[in-house]
Amino acid sequence: DTGVSQNPRHKITKRGQNVTFRCDPISEHNRLYWYRQTLGQGPEFLTYFQNEAQLEKSRLLSDRFSAERPKGSFSTLEIQRTEQGDSAMYLCASELREGIDEQFFGPGTRLTVL
Amino acid sequence: LAKTTQPISMDSYEGQEVNITCSHNNIATNDYITWYQQFPSQGPRFIIQGYKTKVTNEVASLFIPADRKSSTLSLPRVSLSDTAVYYCLVGDIRRYSTLTFGKGTMLLVSP
Repeated sequence: DTGVSQNPRHKITKRGQNVTFRCDPISEHNRLYWYRQTLGQGPEFLTYFQNEAQLEKSRLLSDRFSAERPKGSFSTLEIQRTEQGDSAMYLCASELREGIDEQFFGPGTRLTVL
Repeated sequence: LAKTTQPISMDSYEGQEVNITCSHNNIATNDYITWYQQFPSQGPRFIIQGYKTKVTNEVASLFIPADRKSSTLSLPRVSLSDTAVYYCLVGDIRRYSTLTFGKGTMLLVSP
């Protein structure tokens, strides 16, 4: 499968715990995006990377959130001290070149914070 | 940022043509119009993108009038598998980070 993959697909955690999600983009895609989607809403932009550089972060990305993309390949999104309001689907998308190519989304990681 | 307005839901039957209209009165000169489809528990999937007039691909057509204040996604002969949420995004595609999805249109196709 050459699409965007995300792991885990589901994560249940207790409030206050830290969680980390992984995204593997399509090979050779330079740009990688993270979105958050809550029930009944469309995806909301969180952050994106051009290769290993994090170029933009949304105001939604509080200081409890951190994302990395070492070596410009896979990316991780970590949420520290999770809160119930963090429960959502976390989507990753990759794109070969912004504005020229379409975004390809992964299946998402559904986070439930108890 | 151009704000979009779409119907919350639409119903159709198999074999019919479905047209979903998106209003974007504040569209800017550099803005493109992009439509995505999303099934439950899956990420969105790109359908079509356009700037003006008409764009057609193997799955849909996109009609954009001259003033570009609205656009219509046309799905020919829908099937049950087209039941999904459809999002209209308007913005500068050189900066995907500025595009907002909104709530989308839930299309239900019945037999």
